[in-house]
Amino acid sequence: DTEVTQTPKHLVMGMTNKKSLKCEQHMGHRAMYWYKQKAKKPPELMFVYSYEKLSINESVPSRFSPECPNSSLLNLHLHALQPEDSALYLCASSQDTEPRRQHFGDGTRLSIL
Amino acid sequence: DQQVKQNSPSLSVQEGRISILNCDYTNSMFDYFLWYKKYPAEGPTFLISISSIKDKNEDGRFTVFLNKSAKHLSLHIVPSQPGDSAVYFCAARYNFNKFYFGSGTKLNVKP
Repeated sequence: DTEVTQTPKHLVMGMTNKKSLKCEQHMGHRAMYWYKQKAKKPPELMFVYSYEKLSINESVPSRFSPECPNSSLLNLHLHALQPEDSALYLCASSQDTEPRRQHFGDGTRLSIL
Repeated sequence: DQQVKQNSPSLSVQEGRISILNCDYTNSMFDYFLWYKKYPAEGPTFLISISSIKDKNEDGRFTVFLNKSAKHLSLHIVPSQPGDSAVYFCAARYNFNKFYFGSGTKLNVKP
């Protein structure tokens, strides 16, 4: 069982819909991450939250909006997505001590119609 | 441009033999390197890491070697077991929380 829980596991949405991906961890980790992974490609870093503050935004389009309501939760709000945004979205968390190895959730498989 | 590359998409090895997975990187500022293992329908799980100040780290059957001058790292699994069959990702870290991943190598260990 993964210690990082992502919901939903699958999501199909139209380009005009608004939806949110959720991620939760209770390991006391203070860094949380969102990655996007297309088929046969590496996970690509999107956002990093450190102590509930956005510390890294890898030039992600504004149709993706992250939110960290508290130290255990990380959301990714989606609006007006494009078909090319269809991918696996992975959430991860890490402790503060080196090497900050990440614990990953199982991901949300997102399909944009 | 990918800063971390795994040039072998797949590798097949006989049970009991050594598996060697390779990874190349371009950024000399990376300070930590990590290997993750991924089963289908699951997220990656951490396997082993190495700091850029070391050239070898060993944990049981898994050893990671780092050659900084060549910007190359490798993961050795000895002896390989069928349960090791998975996709292996290498990752490199820059600036505390920025991680870059390779595209993965699918390892198949044949009984």
